[in-house]
Parts: sequence; structure tokens; C-alpha cells
Amino acid sequence: AQSVTQLGSHVSVSEGALVLLRCNYSSSVPPYLFWYVQYPNQGLQLLLKYTTGATLVKGINGFEAEFKKSETSFHLTKPSAHMSDAAEYFCAVILRGGSYIPTFGRGTSLIVHP
Amino acid sequence: DTAVSQTPKYLVTQMGNDKSIKCEQNLGHDTMYWYKQDSKKFLKIMFSYNNKELIINETVPNRFSPKSPDKAHLNLHINSLELGDSAVYFCASSLGTGANTGELFFGEGSRLTVL
Repeated sequence: AQSVTQLGSHVSVSEGALVLLRCNYSSSVPPYLFWYVQYPNQGLQLLLKYTTGATLVKGINGFEAEFKKSETSFHLTKPSAHMSDAAEYFCAVILRGGSYIPTFGRGTSLIVHP
Repeated sequence: DTAVSQTPKYLVTQMGNDKSIKCEQNLGHDTMYWYKQDSKKFLKIMFSYNNKELIINETVPNRFSPKSPDKAHLNLHINSLELGDSAVYFCASSLGTGANTGELFFGEGSRLTVL
């Protein structure tokens, strides 16, 4: 069973518009949650993570994500998109008490129009 | 200095050949990984090594064998290459266990094309 789901393989926004990338997890115990970004022809780099504590997490490049236990979600947002944000975004989970190997969602390609 | 480096970056070879991809990390991390990214960008874990011990091996054909001479290196050897092995292979490393294992540092990838 897929433990992390990203809705929408492609999201298209205009420059300056709000960015919303969706991630839902399936686990009875809240997992550790991560967002990674992959620019063309590069490896992935960590944007932000949630482990415990404050449910609104701020990351690099103006991105943030909010852990909502009731919705089993960890959506990624940015108030105003830049052209440089165009990339592939991956949500990842680590299930507590398991192997602690990160499992990645299928990714969402963010397209930013001028 | 590159934190996680992989070589080669590109590899084109014929079916049936044997090839290796090397990975080195200079971060002092305890755990290293190999992920396979297919043409649809899906990332699948292949192997993970912690302190030279294999701690997970997903449903990967035994044609693939990880080799870790020390904590800083995790090489991937592939025997009898098949067309379906064409993909981008990423090496990654992380420090410690628990939540820290999710903070992966990735190499730039090795694009393997099997003809």
C-alpha cells in the first residue's frame, strides 16, 4: 500500500501566484514528513521537514508546509511563485517504528508561467 | 567539495554487459542509499547501508549488488544489464537514525542507458 500520495502529477501557476502542492500520507501513527525539490538534471535537496512540535514548518526559498493530523496531510505552499521555482517536488515519509527508510511520493512537476 | 559524488554521470552500454557506479560522501554520515528513478520520475529505494551492514534490500534483482568498502563509499554493481535497467540512479547519505534518516543528501545522479 502506498504510504504517501501526491495529488496531481503537474501543477501550473502564473508567476506571482500561490503555489499549493498536495501530499497525503496513510499511517495510523503520524510519520516523519519531508518535502524535497529536484531541479532539472540534479539530485534532490531537502526543502523542509516535520518531526514533532510546531505543525507549520518553514523551509528554504520561501516554502512552508503544515502538518494536519485530522486530514493526514502535509501540503506545501508558497505565497508567490517565481520562475526559478519550476522543478519537481517530492513528498517523503518515514514510518515510525519501521525501517526508517524514506519512501517518496510520485512527485509533482511545478510549471511556472510568466 | 561535493558532499555526495557519483561517477560516472552518464553511462551508455549494451545489454548483457556488467557495469559499476561509484559513490562517495564526505559528510561523515552513517547511512548510504541507492535509489532508482525511472522515466516517470518515480524514486524507488534499492539499498541502504548503515555502518557497512545492509539494513534493507527491496525487491531488487540479484543482478544488482551494493558494495561498501568503508563508511564513506557505497558502490553499485550491475550484472547482465537489461533494457529495463535504464534509469537514473541516485546515491544518497544521511546521519543517524529516526527523523535524521529522512534528511538525505543526494548525489547528482548517474544516467544509465542500456541499448
